[in-house]
Formats: sequence, structure tokens, C-alpha cells
Amino acid sequence: GENVEQHPSTLSVQEGDSAVIKCTYSDSASNYFPWYKQELGKGPQLIIDIRSNVGEKKDQRIAVTLNKTAKHFSLHITETQPEDSAVYFCAAERGSTLGRLYFGRGTQLTVWP
Amino acid sequence: SAVISQKPSRDICQRGTSLTIQCQVDSQVTMMFWYRQQPGQSLTLIATANQGSEATYESGFVIDKFPISRPNLTFSTLTVSNMSPEDSSIYLCSEGADNEQFFGPGTRLTVL
Repeated sequence: GENVEQHPSTLSVQEGDSAVIKCTYSDSASNYFPWYKQELGKGPQLIIDIRSNVGEKKDQRIAVTLNKTAKHFSLHITETQPEDSAVYFCAAERGSTLGRLYFGRGTQLTVWP
Repeated sequence: SAVISQKPSRDICQRGTSLTIQCQVDSQVTMMFWYRQQPGQSLTLIATANQGSEATYESGFVIDKFPISRPNLTFSTLTVSNMSPEDSSIYLCSEGADNEQFFGPGTRLTVL
């Protein structure tokens, strides 16, 4: 099965700084990589995703990069704000197992004002 | 994305009992999934709920412990059977279409 590693487990940044979270995956057949934000007491919210035929995707202050050769992908948040504070999860989906997501262990991001 | 609701939002149960969690989607969806999130941990897929057929379980999860129903394209239930304190977790349902997967708010279960 797929194994997704996520680092760091905790990340503290000053408001306005950038935050980067990195994930690696083991299964070369994986071709879809979503990122989720989970606030306390809520379900995970899809914030951005990337497919294997794309190297980078950006949506306002959030960007994701994918290196298929190295089997790693990263989440970049620029100009961080206190409301970005949450737990972020990366995930990977194998093409042959539609919808079955394998999650990283999560990163607790804290943005200090 | 579809709007997903779950009932109950939380519950406290005695060991040895069973709890059925409901998941309702506001539109018809092909694929629904059930995940478990243990305290402070990541999400682990329990099973894929298929309409009109038995659920497909992941390694480490069995139908006797986590029976699932999927009577139509908008609704599914997960039962946690013969509960023990180790079953204390957040249980989440999700729906997926064209890769994108959206989650419900979760059911926080505490087993005493």
C-alpha cells in the first residue's frame, strides 16, 4: 500500500512569513495529491490539489509543487495570517484505487500575530 | 462540492454497546467513504461504501466490527460494534467525485 510521510509535525511562523510543508510518498502509481486544512472540531477541508501531469499549481496565497521523480510534493503558504493556523494534511491517491486516500500524519501550523 | 452532514456529532458510549453513525449528502454521489481519526492522529480509511453492494474494507477493518450500509446515492451508515475504549475516535464520512473528496464534520465518539 501507499505510505505518506509528512514534515514537519509542528510549524510556527510569524504573521506575514511563508510556511512550507513537505510530503513524500512511496507508490509510483499515485497520481493525485490533495491537501486538507482541519480546524479544531471540524472535518478536513480541501484547500488545493495537484495531479501527476502538473508540476505546480497556485491559488492565491497557496501553492503546491510536485516532483514525481523524487516522489515528493510540498505546500507553500505565503503571507501567512493567524486564520491560517490549523492542522494541514497531505494525501495521495493511487490511480487504480479511485477515492482511496492515504494521509500523512499532519502538520500543526501556528501563525503568530 | 456536496454538503455533507453527520449524526450524531458526538456521543459517549459504554463498552460493549454499538453506535450507528449516519452520513447524509445533499446530492447523489457515486462514492462514499468512511475514515477514522484517532485522537491527535491522521485519517485512516476504513472502507468504501458502495451503493447496491457490500462495502470494501481496508486491511485491519472487518465487516463484523464496522458494518456499513449504503441504501441509496445520498446516504450511508457506519456502525461501530461491541465498542471498547480503543474505538474512541472521530469518525468521518466523505464523498468523492473525479478525485476530489469532501468530508463531513465528523462524529466524535468516546467509549468508557
